[in-house]
Amino acid sequence: DVKVTQSSRYLVKRTGEKVFLECVQDMDHENMFWYRQDPGLGLRLIYFSYDVKMKEKGDIPEGYSVSREKKERFSLILESASTNQTSMYLCASTRSRGLAGELFFGEGSRLTVL
Amino acid sequence: TQLLEQSPQFLSIQEGENLTVYCNSSSVFSSLQWYRQEPGEGPVLLVTVVTGGEVKKLKRLTFQFGDARKDSSLHITAAQPGDTGLYLCAGDAGGGNKLTFGTGTQLKVEL
Repeated sequence: DVKVTQSSRYLVKRTGEKVFLECVQDMDHENMFWYRQDPGLGLRLIYFSYDVKMKEKGDIPEGYSVSREKKERFSLILESASTNQTSMYLCASTRSRGLAGELFFGEGSRLTVL
Repeated sequence: TQLLEQSPQFLSIQEGENLTVYCNSSSVFSSLQWYRQEPGEGPVLLVTVVTGGEVKKLKRLTFQFGDARKDSSLHITAAQPGDTGLYLCAGDAGGGNKLTFGTGTQLKVEL
C-alpha cells in the first residue's frame, strides 16, 4: 500500500520557535509538495520539489523553507514561527511530471503557534 | 495564480437527496481532478477529467468537465452518510503537477 507519512500529527509551538515538519514517501516518487490548508481557502502550495536538492517556490513561500536531501524525504521548515502560521500542513507526492497525476497525501500535521 | 471557486461552501442534506457541487474559474485547465477528504485524513483522488465536455461516473457520483475546460461539476445521486466529507477540485494549468486547488465544499449527509 502506498504511503506518505508525516512525522507529527499535532504540534504546539511558541512564537519565534523553529519548527520542522518531516514527510517521507515510500513510492519512489520524484515530485513532492507541501500545502497548507485553511477553512474556506482550500489547499495552497508552499513549496515543491521535482528532484533531490531541488526546490521551487509555490504560491505562499514567505516564512517557510524546505529541504530535500534524499528522494523519499521532504522537510518543511518554519525558521521563526508566527501565529499566522497556525494551520494544517499537508505533504503530498506524485510520480509523473507531465499531465497531472494522482497526488498522494499524508494525514496532515496540525500546527498551533501560541 | 489561477483561482478556483467552489460552491456551495457548505451543504447539509438528508440521506437520499441529490446534490451538485460546482468548481469555476476564469482560467483554462489541461485537466481537473476531484478529491475527497475525510476528517483526520489527507485528500484522496476520486477522478481526473482531461477533455472538454467529458463526463465520468463513479457509482453514484457523476463528474463533468466544462466544454471550455474552465469549470467542472460533481453530482451525487441519493447521497449517503458515507459521502460526508470535504470535496476539493484541483486544476492543472499545464505547469507539470503544480495543481491549483479550489476553496472546498464541506458536505454533511444526515440520516
